[in-house]
Amino acid sequence: GAGVSQSPSNKVTEKGKDVELRCDPISGHTALYWYRQSLGQGLEFLIYFQGNSAPDKSGLPSDRFSAERTGGSVSTLTIQRTQQEDSAVYLCASSTLPDYGYTFGSGTRLTVV
Amino acid sequence: GENVEQHPSTLSVQEGDSAVIKCTYSDSASNYFPWYKQELGKGPQLIIDIRSNVGEKKDQRIAVTLNKTAKHFSLHITETQPEDSAVYFCAAYRSNSGYALNFGKGTSLLVTP
Repeated sequence: GAGVSQSPSNKVTEKGKDVELRCDPISGHTALYWYRQSLGQGLEFLIYFQGNSAPDKSGLPSDRFSAERTGGSVSTLTIQRTQQEDSAVYLCASSTLPDYGYTFGSGTRLTVV
Repeated sequence: GENVEQHPSTLSVQEGDSAVIKCTYSDSASNYFPWYKQELGKGPQLIIDIRSNVGEKKDQRIAVTLNKTAKHFSLHITETQPEDSAVYFCAAYRSNSGYALNFGKGTSLLVTP
């Protein structure tokens, strides 16, 4: 596609529920990243996929967070047993290589009530 | 891992004036330094980047300078316009490290008419 597509754009969930966030990267981009942005804060790295290599999960804040990338394209970020501190904007980006410009999606705003 | 410090956190200038945002990084092996602009409700957008084999790069009203010895780089915006108002993020990356970009905490720039 023309850009990185994320869905849903907004998600309100009850504390304790599981949520899935989706990212469709730019076609042909082998690198895909998830970042989290809390209100007024910077970009917190979560996870990075590069081609067929094992993902870099070093930024995931707890074992309630997981992500997968199927067929080297679409990625899903799953948060289990959501907590109020999980409320944030979750941003996905893709690039051809890690040291080439990222293209970000518009994000999913997650609110846990 | 890489640590990126960004200053100032907020910056207010009058239309037509220049704006300068500075970042420092910790990993002397870092060799790619992009800058992103984030407007309200949108994902960050790459506006300019520089690699460690050059000291300065310009694109119209925007320029980035890099001092590898001091491990800092700066974004310069000249003849600012109200539409430059946004949050700006710097980032640093070390090639072949397997890491994703590490971002600064952002600078909120306000250009007043």
